[in-house]
Amino acid sequence: AQTVTQSQPEMSVQEAETVTLSCTYDTSESNYYLFWYKQPPSRQMILVIRQEAYKQQNATENRFSVNFQKAAKSFSLKISDSQLGDTAMYFCAFMASNTGKLIFGQGTTLQVKP
Amino acid sequence: NAGVTQTPKFRILKIGQSMTLQCTQDMNHNYMYWYRQDPGMGLKLIYYSVGAGITDKGEVPNGYNVSRSTTEDFPLRLELAAPSQTSVYFCASSTQDSNQPQHFGDGTRLSIL
Repeated sequence: AQTVTQSQPEMSVQEAETVTLSCTYDTSESNYYLFWYKQPPSRQMILVIRQEAYKQQNATENRFSVNFQKAAKSFSLKISDSQLGDTAMYFCAFMASNTGKLIFGQGTTLQVKP
Repeated sequence: NAGVTQTPKFRILKIGQSMTLQCTQDMNHNYMYWYRQDPGMGLKLIYYSVGAGITDKGEVPNGYNVSRSTTEDFPLRLELAAPSQTSVYFCASSTQDSNQPQHFGDGTRLSIL
């Protein structure tokens, strides 16, 4: 069975600074996808970034980038130039290819301070 | 585009009551999912469906039932509500392509008292 672990329940960062959220996972699958979702107080689930396991290049989306270490089964999210609107709960998620089923971590609450 | 629509947004039930959480999507997605999110936790998969007439259990199916008579609708049924089912419930949908993300509804906050 796959598991996803986020070891940082809460983090804070000053506006305009950079913060990194950690995620590790465990799987015996060779083909899979990894995701970071953002959940603001509005409760919406918003996809931030995704990574295909077969791609060595780390995914980037504007101020968001990942550090994907396949051998270490690590998938951290870096947020650059943090903005107040980045305040939210962030979830790391795993999906084995062709299953469609997401396995979520426990989440990290990020507070961006002015 | 409405995307994924869940109703109701909030509901309070008494122990032992039953109810159906509605979910509909207008994106012609084959795959649909129900998750629950307990306070301070991640989402856990209750049931999912890969197409009309096909459903399967997720991580935490006990106490729930689903049906999928159409591509658009995927209702979740609670037959005998228990306090342990107090949670926020999310419905999601996606295409068959694993590379495409799931689209989530806005959630239903359910309290069992």
